[in-house]
Amino acid sequence: GQQVMQIPQYQHVQEGEDFTTYCNSSTTLSNIQWYKQRPGGHPVFLIQLVKSGEVKKQKRLTFQFGEAKKNSSLHITATQTTDVGTYFCAVINSGGSNYKLTFGKGTLLTVNP
Amino acid sequence: ETGVTQTPRHLVMGMTNKKSLKCEQHLGHNAMYWYKQSAKKPLELMFVYSLEERVENNSVPSRFSPECPNSSHLFLHLHTLQPEDSALYLCASSHGGSSYNEQFFGPGTRLTVL
Repeated sequence: GQQVMQIPQYQHVQEGEDFTTYCNSSTTLSNIQWYKQRPGGHPVFLIQLVKSGEVKKQKRLTFQFGEAKKNSSLHITATQTTDVGTYFCAVINSGGSNYKLTFGKGTLLTVNP
Repeated sequence: ETGVTQTPRHLVMGMTNKKSLKCEQHLGHNAMYWYKQSAKKPLELMFVYSLEERVENNSVPSRFSPECPNSSHLFLHLHTLQPEDSALYLCASSHGGSSYNEQFFGPGTRLTVL
């Protein structure tokens, strides 16, 4: 089945440093979604990317979709303690079921104040 | 709050017990999902219901039995579970029955099987 590799698995930063997590697939993706899960919480939708080369920004967060639609990244500028949590990418592969969202293992971000 | 509620929030059961997890969404969505989240594993899709019909059954053992009586409610019936079934079970809903639409997750049920 569809698999998506997410790296790094863990990232610890000092407050104010930048952070990036990457999602990679061996197959072309229909779309990619990003979710954030705070410790003890549940996944919360952040954004969806659909178009090749798409870039979207949400305040300090920048999301990119690769030109080949096989990879994506989430970049946080100047991290804050409120950014702590696990960031997941989730994908639908081209030609696959529209109902089946496959999640990456996630990147756990911790921020030292 | 996301508008998706789950009960109970915590459940401890023996391997011979029968229990049910309940999910309710107040968002007017017409698709609902069950996911399993275990430590060190990706979030795993178990079942999808769209317009109250099951459209995905992701090779889940028969000891897990879903039920969707209407578009607002989703149940997961559990029987003769194994300790490795201990996990966080998350319910989600979306509009339009497609994963192109964002999914709204409930708080989850933390299940421990003894």
